[in-house]
Amino acid sequence: DGGITQSPKYLFRKEGQNVTLSCEQNLNHDAMYWYRQDPGQGLRLIYYSQIVNDFQKGDIAEGYSVSREKKESFPLTVTSAQKNPTAFYLCASSIEGVGQPQHFGDGTRLSIL
Amino acid sequence: QKEVEQDPGPLSVPEGAIVSLNCTYSNSAFQYFMWYRQYSRKGPELLMYTYSSGNKEDGRFTAQVDKSSKYISLFIRDSQPSDSATYLCAGRRTGFQKLVFGTGTRLLVSP
Repeated sequence: DGGITQSPKYLFRKEGQNVTLSCEQNLNHDAMYWYRQDPGQGLRLIYYSQIVNDFQKGDIAEGYSVSREKKESFPLTVTSAQKNPTAFYLCASSIEGVGQPQHFGDGTRLSIL
Repeated sequence: QKEVEQDPGPLSVPEGAIVSLNCTYSNSAFQYFMWYRQYSRKGPELLMYTYSSGNKEDGRFTAQVDKSSKYISLFIRDSQPSDSATYLCAGRRTGFQKLVFGTGTRLLVSP
């Protein structure tokens, strides 16, 4: 089955620790995205990548980093500089092209210990 | 003002009712509009995808876009308890990757 796999489903971070969230897709999509979802707020774009080895900041990139070494993979690192990391993180992908819809994985819930 | 506004609900209806979910948006450059359904602790699932103004129907779902009033709607016919979820609307400008989401409307369909 084609789809987007996010892991782990739940993640806990200690103070001062960096953590990495995994996102893998087997849809052969060119573009991949990371969103953050908080209660009472819409999804907010953290980073996106349209091709391998290239990515752009979204609206709330501070305290996050990404890499895109393979087409299938777009990991997100939540660094210690992100002071309010508790949220539901969603990865999405789409075919590259005008107006193509985005499809989402099932998310990773990150909490602070 | 948020670019996309949605009433958070919850909207409670009995099984079999016709449901109307609505969003307003402020950016007149939006050309693409999407509705997603999100169950608790799951990622959003694409339901409907429309371009510019007009209607689009898929089974029990109809999406409607009125660009003159910057209003988008999702209608669900013969609603089922399994439709109970949060519904997110989103808009997108031509040539831009970014989707702008509303905060979502929670729908509860009681048997």
